[in-house]
Amino acid sequence: EVQVLESGGGLVQPGNSLKLSCATSGFTFSTAWMYWYRQFPEKRLEWVARIKAKSNNYATDYTESVKGRFTISRDDSKSSIYLQMNNLKEEDTAIYYCAWRGYWGQGVMVTVSS
Amino acid sequence: DIQMTQSPSFLSASVGDRVTINCKASQNINKYLDWYQQKLGEAPKLLIYNTNSLHTGIPSRFSGSGSGTDFTLTISSLQPEDVATYFCLQHNSGNTFGAGTKLELK
Repeated sequence: EVQVLESGGGLVQPGNSLKLSCATSGFTFSTAWMYWYRQFPEKRLEWVARIKAKSNNYATDYTESVKGRFTISRDDSKSSIYLQMNNLKEEDTAIYYCAWRGYWGQGVMVTVSS
Repeated sequence: DIQMTQSPSFLSASVGDRVTINCKASQNINKYLDWYQQKLGEAPKLLIYNTNSLHTGIPSRFSGSGSGTDFTLTISSLQPEDVATYFCLQHNSGNTFGAGTKLELK
């Protein structure tokens, strides 16, 4: 059974940092392309970042609004991915989901507010 | 960037009705269109991938069709448990979601 479990959300002030983690099981993680998505309070969904597998040189892509602030990474030995979020803005407030293909975690809430 | 226009935004239907939801891409996305269902308080759940392939465990009353720029999700006979918001997602070039269709029972 595929399992995806995010952690690390919380309340932070604008300009601060937060790191999300995503632990997975039930599939061959080392060859998987992994994704972060987010859902804003008004329910709009947005792709945030993608990291490819080792065979693709762990290539990464980001939505424009987070480029230079967010970094996606992975640890194949732990079947986990991460999202380092720096210089957070109020508009980053959302539920963040980790996903492999159609399998999504339950999400973690990130609130950026002073 | 590819834009996805989803319609209708809101839909009210009765149990047993045939329901259709549409997504239109701003450019050709080939077959790379998925449909998700999101119930209140839950994560999105994949229903259909690559236009018309049913995801594991999804009831056969759900189906997808289309190609190029126009795509449709069909629920052949609406059930009470289908009350949810439905999103399309194109993954031909980047990833772009539709704005969602909120489906309620009449």
